[in-house]
Amino acid sequence: DGGITQSPKYLFRKEGQNVTLSCEQNLNHDAMYWYRQDPGQGLRLIYYSQIVNDFQKGDIAEGYSVSREKKESFPLTVTSAQKNPTAFYLCASSQGAGGELFFGEGSRLTVL
Amino acid sequence: AQKVTQAQTEISVVEKEDVTLDCVYETRDTTYYLFWYKQPPSGELVFLIRRNSFDEQNEISGRYSWNFQKSTSSFNFTITASQVVDSAVYFCAPSFPLISSGSARQLTFGSGTQLTVLP
Repeated sequence: DGGITQSPKYLFRKEGQNVTLSCEQNLNHDAMYWYRQDPGQGLRLIYYSQIVNDFQKGDIAEGYSVSREKKESFPLTVTSAQKNPTAFYLCASSQGAGGELFFGEGSRLTVL
Repeated sequence: AQKVTQAQTEISVVEKEDVTLDCVYETRDTTYYLFWYKQPPSGELVFLIRRNSFDEQNEISGRYSWNFQKSTSSFNFTITASQVVDSAVYFCAPSFPLISSGSARQLTFGSGTQLTVLP
């Protein structure tokens, strides 16, 4: 079945460590996105990519980095520079100007 | 900048009641799409409905219907004959182009409405 796979589902990290969240899609979508969700709030855009080898900052990119070396993959690294990284992270993809975003199941990151 | 207001933080209804979720947005764009997503306790966002800004015809899809009024920037969503499985957080999300060329879209999410359907 086509969809988006995020891993790991749960992740614990010590302060000062970088961590990478995986996002893979087999929908053949051009655009991919990373969102962050804090408790009781909506989603905020971290980074997005329209095509391979290209990505742009979203509203809250500080302390995060991404890469888009393959169409199907868009990993997110939460660096030690991110001051409050504990959150729920959602990856999504879309195709076309009016296409809806398809979301993965999310990765819950907790910094100890 | 776009802004979305979902004034209802929490709603509780009894099964089989109809429920309407309100959404008001602000934008200076003339072309955009509007979405409703559902987030069950598992966390994944599930696409429900889409409407483009050029089409104000309101529709019904199964138990879902929506009322889009461009003049008041509102996009309300109604669930008819609610069921316990409808319990979730519902997000209204207008979608705007991130870059003038290309397909990437910026979804601006409201803070969500927690719907609880009681048996």
